[in-house]
Amino acid sequence: AQSVTQPDIHITVSEGASLELRCNYSYGATPYLFWYVQSPGQGLQLLLKYFSGDTLVQGIKGFEAEFKRSQSSFNLRKPSVHWSDAAEYFCAVGAFGGGGNKLTFGTGTQLKVEL
Amino acid sequence: DGGITQSPKYLFRKEGQNVTLSCEQNLNHDAMYWYRQDPGQGLRLIYYSQIVNDFQKGDIAEGYSVSREKKESFPLTVTSAQKNPTAFYLCASKLLAGDTDTQYFGPGTRLTVL
Repeated sequence: AQSVTQPDIHITVSEGASLELRCNYSYGATPYLFWYVQSPGQGLQLLLKYFSGDTLVQGIKGFEAEFKRSQSSFNLRKPSVHWSDAAEYFCAVGAFGGGGNKLTFGTGTQLKVEL
Repeated sequence: DGGITQSPKYLFRKEGQNVTLSCEQNLNHDAMYWYRQDPGQGLRLIYYSQIVNDFQKGDIAEGYSVSREKKESFPLTVTSAQKNPTAFYLCASKLLAGDTDTQYFGPGTRLTVL
């Protein structure tokens, strides 16, 4: 069975500083990986996804993530954080092709941005 | 406007009562999903359906029931058998045309048991 670990429950950064949110996954086959963002009381919005090919994936709002198979990681990065980036971020791994097209989510990282 | 709607946004119920949460999508997506979200626990899958009149249990199906009579609708009933129903409930949908399709989420319903 697949699993996702987001080791940081809370992260605080200053506006304009760089950001890296960690995600480690466990999956027996080639993983399909996602990052979603959630504002308080809202649904989840897709930031980016990795299926194959280039291991550096670009997403919306200036975010990017890098897939590192050797480290089983899919860390999310942003070079300069804006106050509006404050939200909760979820990493997810997909089980497809007979797995019911299901996603397994990490427990999330709450990002606070200091002005 | 295409999207996923969930209603109501806030729902209150007394202990021992069943309650049904609505999820509708006009994206012509094949699969629909229900998740439960609790603080610090991420999202956990309750039920999912890949075609009409068929659905499967997720990781925490006990105390919940669903139906899929129409492609665009996937209501979730929280029964009195669910021991701790207070949570944020999220519905999602996706195409099944390809393995790599993305799940899209509705705005959620917050259920509080009084």
